[in-house]
Amino acid sequence: GNSVTQMEGPVTLSEEAFLTINCTYTATGYPSLFWYVQYPGEGLQLLLKATKADDKGSNKGFEATYRKETTSFHLEKGSVQVSDSAVYFCALISNAGGTSYGKLTFGQGTILTVHP
Amino acid sequence: DAGITQSPRYKITETGRQVTLMCHQTWSHSYMFWYRQDLGHGLRLIYYSAAADITDKGEVPDGYVVSRSKTENFPLTLESATRSQTSVYFCASHEWRAQPQHFGDGTRLSIL
Repeated sequence: GNSVTQMEGPVTLSEEAFLTINCTYTATGYPSLFWYVQYPGEGLQLLLKATKADDKGSNKGFEATYRKETTSFHLEKGSVQVSDSAVYFCALISNAGGTSYGKLTFGQGTILTVHP
Repeated sequence: DAGITQSPRYKITETGRQVTLMCHQTWSHSYMFWYRQDLGHGLRLIYYSAAADITDKGEVPDGYVVSRSKTENFPLTLESATRSQTSVYFCASHEWRAQPQHFGDGTRLSIL
């Protein structure tokens, strides 16, 4: 079956530091990949996405590149801010299996805390 | 405003009680989902629905019941609540498989 593995957290950084959150996946077919962010007390919001190999998703200074050869979709940001403190989820939708809906498989989530 | 709304945001109840969590979306998306979020497990799919009157089980359906008589509403019922169902519940929707799902703000449910 499909699975998503994220680096263990929590991650604590100082403001303006470089961020990497690792994500690797196992999936049948050609999945679409997503990063969701969850701010305290809120639901999940889509941060960025990539739908095919070598696509780069980007939003709010965050980037992730769909690497089929390494089955990875690592999240990066060059200079984090205190407001980036949240939980980040890597996820995939597999297009295989014959289902008409997108079964979303999540990683465990990584808690990011950024200090001033 | 367009979006997906869950109610209540917080609920405390006792074991054995029936509880219904509401979800309403304004986009007329075909697909709707219920997840629970627990520490160490991430998000797990409870039930999903492909259209009005079409529902199916996800990973962890035991103890839950859903219905979908209208496209925009997808209530989740715990028929006899247990402490293990204490969790944060999220509703989500999308129109078709390759599109990302949109999430509500969640319902924090505590069962004493």
